Amino acid sequence: NAGVTQTPKFQVLKTGQSMTLQCAQDMNHEYMSWYRQDPGMGLRLIHYSVGAGITDQGEVPNGYNVSRSTTEDFPLRLLSAAPSQTSVYFCASSYISPGGANVLTFGAGSRLTVL
Amino acid sequence: AQTVTQSQPEMSVQEAETVTLSCTYDTSENNYYLFWYKQPPSRQMILVIRQEAYKQQNATENRFSVNFQKAAKSFSLKISDSQLGDTAMYFCAFMKDDMRFGAGTRLTVKP
Repeated sequence: NAGVTQTPKFQVLKTGQSMTLQCAQDMNHEYMSWYRQDPGMGLRLIHYSVGAGITDQGEVPNGYNVSRSTTEDFPLRLLSAAPSQTSVYFCASSYISPGGANVLTFGAGSRLTVL
Repeated sequence: AQTVTQSQPEMSVQEAETVTLSCTYDTSENNYYLFWYKQPPSRQMILVIRQEAYKQQNATENRFSVNFQKAAKSFSLKISDSQLGDTAMYFCAFMKDDMRFGAGTRLTVKP
């Protein structure tokens, strides 16, 4: 199994450019989420989804869009990149089990630099 | 919204010694889950241990154990017999409807 696959692993953008970080999972997980990791701030939740067609905002959603048209894919879009979006981005997924601890499976991360 | 606080940005321990990493959280929920994740230099996030809030018994996974104090909203991680491979960032996390992380503690195990 591939698990959670993120592409690209590295990306450099200029301010104002747009791009999409791709995330795909092959485990039939209902829950998918995007985090950004910045030094001294841990992982902060950007957006998450509990199933196809359903998305919600996390702690730091501004400047990012998501959609969930299929169970497998959860792309993160930056419409107009800003230097403040320079970060490492992680996609994660899990089953949703009522009453159970939903252990996240993480992708390998994508390092984005905005100049 | 729930918040997770890790008050120790960096810690170090001698190989084979024991170290405890602190974590506190703030929530009004009664049922939730707590986790410790490890992030080595490879950047991959690895689950270390998890705890269900409704369980009074502290979780244990080999050399890793937690001290869960629900009333105090505290969830510390104890690593026994520290090994060089334990060197990593450690993140405490709280899950109810989504998962929120603390800022992390950078642990260095010294030979």
